[in-house]
Amino acid sequence: KAGVTQTPRYLIKTRGQQVTLSCSPISGHRSVSWYQQTPGQGLQFLFEYFSETQRNKGNFPGRFSGRQFSNSRSEMNVSTLELGDSALYLCASSNQGQDTQYFGPGTRLTVL
Amino acid sequence: DAKTTQPPSMDCAEGRAANLPCNHSTISGNEYVYWYRQIHSQGPQYIIHGLKNNETNEMASLIITEDRKSSTLILPHATLRDTAVYYCIVGSAGNNRKLIWGLGTSLAVNP
Repeated sequence: KAGVTQTPRYLIKTRGQQVTLSCSPISGHRSVSWYQQTPGQGLQFLFEYFSETQRNKGNFPGRFSGRQFSNSRSEMNVSTLELGDSALYLCASSNQGQDTQYFGPGTRLTVL
Repeated sequence: DAKTTQPPSMDCAEGRAANLPCNHSTISGNEYVYWYRQIHSQGPQYIIHGLKNNETNEMASLIITEDRKSSTLILPHATLRDTAVYYCIVGSAGNNRKLIWGLGTSLAVNP
């Protein structure tokens, strides 16, 4: 099976812009979670989607949003980018009823 | 969710066992202990998880103390490819998407 894929791998934006990141889960996995990773904060949970519905949400402002499509692919959007949004954004998929999460390689976002 | 405490860094000689400790003194009865690792520039990789019994798989062993307030991940024969940041996290089964991730332990395996 192919692993979790994320596109793009690298992205450079300027303050005030918006960005959309994409995640394709492992075939058959219906749960997709998003994390933000920064050097000082570690991994922080953004949200989880299951069957096109947001199931869990972390403590991030409303500028961070996401969605999931019927084929389980997921996108996350960050509007009005700030310098502090520079981070590695990780997507993880898991199978219903199983605890193991499989992570993608991440998208490195740099906000200038 | 309970929080965990791990040493920021550790060293291990290649071929020797690497023992990575983790404290989770506020863990509740239905929370599991999960271990992931992250090799530089890659996404985290699942290693193992357990509730109260010791667990072993092809990658590692997990030893959980009887009071469940701490655990140790054991890599029996560390190789250079085991150099990574190791995360110990706790959370309820089936809802681990909100696990609180700390900064982990940076393990350096030396030749």
